Amino acid sequence: AQKITQTQPGMFVQEKEAVTLDCTYDTSDPSYGLFWYKQPSSGEMIFLIYQGSYDQQNATEGRYSLNFQKARKSANLVISASQLGDSAMYFCAMRPLYNYNKFYFGSGTKLNVKP
Amino acid sequence: GAVVSQHPSRVICKSGTSVKIECRSLDFQATTMFWYRQFPKQSLMLMATSNEGSKATYEQGVEKDKFLINHASLTLSTLTVTSAHPEDSSFYICSARVQGQGEKGYTFGSGTRLTVV
Repeated sequence: AQKITQTQPGMFVQEKEAVTLDCTYDTSDPSYGLFWYKQPSSGEMIFLIYQGSYDQQNATEGRYSLNFQKARKSANLVISASQLGDSAMYFCAMRPLYNYNKFYFGSGTKLNVKP
Repeated sequence: GAVVSQHPSRVICKSGTSVKIECRSLDFQATTMFWYRQFPKQSLMLMATSNEGSKATYEQGVEKDKFLINHASLTLSTLTVTSAHPEDSSFYICSARVQGQGEKGYTFGSGTRLTVV
């Protein structure tokens, strides 16, 4: 069974500070991909970052980095230099690489960036 | 970049009526589209996979007769909520994978908020 856990329903961060959003996952699949998506109030899901289970290095995309700890089955998202526009819901997701279609999403973290 | 256009963004319908939600891929062809449902403050749950020219594949527990999916062309998939009831009120969002963009290529529509009164 696959399960994604995001234990922080809501987070606050001061503008220009860094913030870490937690994500742990449970899977028996040997190969999988981990994703983070941003969902602003308008509803669309915006891709932020991807980490493959076999990738040796942590993924980075601009101000986003993924702290991947495979043994702990965690894939935390780090946002550096927070901006007001970062206020949104953030979802962690996993896709077993054998299954082209199936994404498993966490319950999300609502991030509020304070000026 | 590749965009998935979803309409309507909001719809309110009376109980017992049917509602159609459209998802169009702009600037790319989508042989497969995915339909998700999101309850308030919860995660997205995959409902079904829509395949162009063939029947949709539904996830366990999703009623095929309640949620009709049609993928008539390479750029259009529709989800029809039939005989809608208040418990069908939810946020529905579609997704498609853009070929050649790797794992970044899963693009989502902007969603449809359905309210059944």
